[in-house]
Amino acid sequence: DQQVKQNSPSLSVQEGRISILNCDYTNSMFDYFLWYKKYPAEGPTFLISISSIKDKNEDGRFTVFLNKSAKHLSLHIVPSQPGDSAVYFCAASVGGSNYKLTFGKGTLLTVNP
Amino acid sequence: KAGVTQTPRYLIKTRGQQVTLSCSPISGHRSVSWYQQTPGQGLQFLFEYFSETQRNKGNFPGRFSGRQFSNSRSEMNVSTLELGDSALYLCASSLNRFSPLHFGNGTRLTVT
Repeated sequence: DQQVKQNSPSLSVQEGRISILNCDYTNSMFDYFLWYKKYPAEGPTFLISISSIKDKNEDGRFTVFLNKSAKHLSLHIVPSQPGDSAVYFCAASVGGSNYKLTFGKGTLLTVNP
Repeated sequence: KAGVTQTPRYLIKTRGQQVTLSCSPISGHRSVSWYQQTPGQGLQFLFEYFSETQRNKGNFPGRFSGRQFSNSRSEMNVSTLELGDSALYLCASSLNRFSPLHFGNGTRLTVT
């Protein structure tokens, strides 16, 4: 039973446009959500997080939106750059911590010059 | 500051054998977590150690075990390897439970 789902295996956007990556979750106990980026042959790197007490968190070009009633979060990247091309993982946890994260299967983002 | 170091980078083992993977966390990080990444299942949590104690465990069989040493370095062991254990094994360290995980580049295990 997959508790964190990223239904789009891949997404392709043009440089300068907005990239929107989506994530759905089923476990209502999740109260902390994160996005990680992974390049080939490297480990995931932390991008941005959001607590369930918020509905939006921004960090530079990256914004995460959380819709608790829909159990849905999204990552917006504006403007998209070719260097953003990577696999993006959505993750969630219980208790507001970074431990025992439940990850989605990832979305491969390709930003075309 | 050096990142999380995992050794070896690649391993090829035969079904039925056992394997030990090593992880050196970032200096000062006392928590180490292990994750398995496969194409079909994504990243799955294996276990987490803090100060030599296992604090959390994922839903993996007892063939998967780990330990943490007093210098925070960690090892994970998989016994009686199965073909399905072929995966990228990622180690991550963090300063505390509210700090982001810092992942190593992983150990790619292939079981033949």
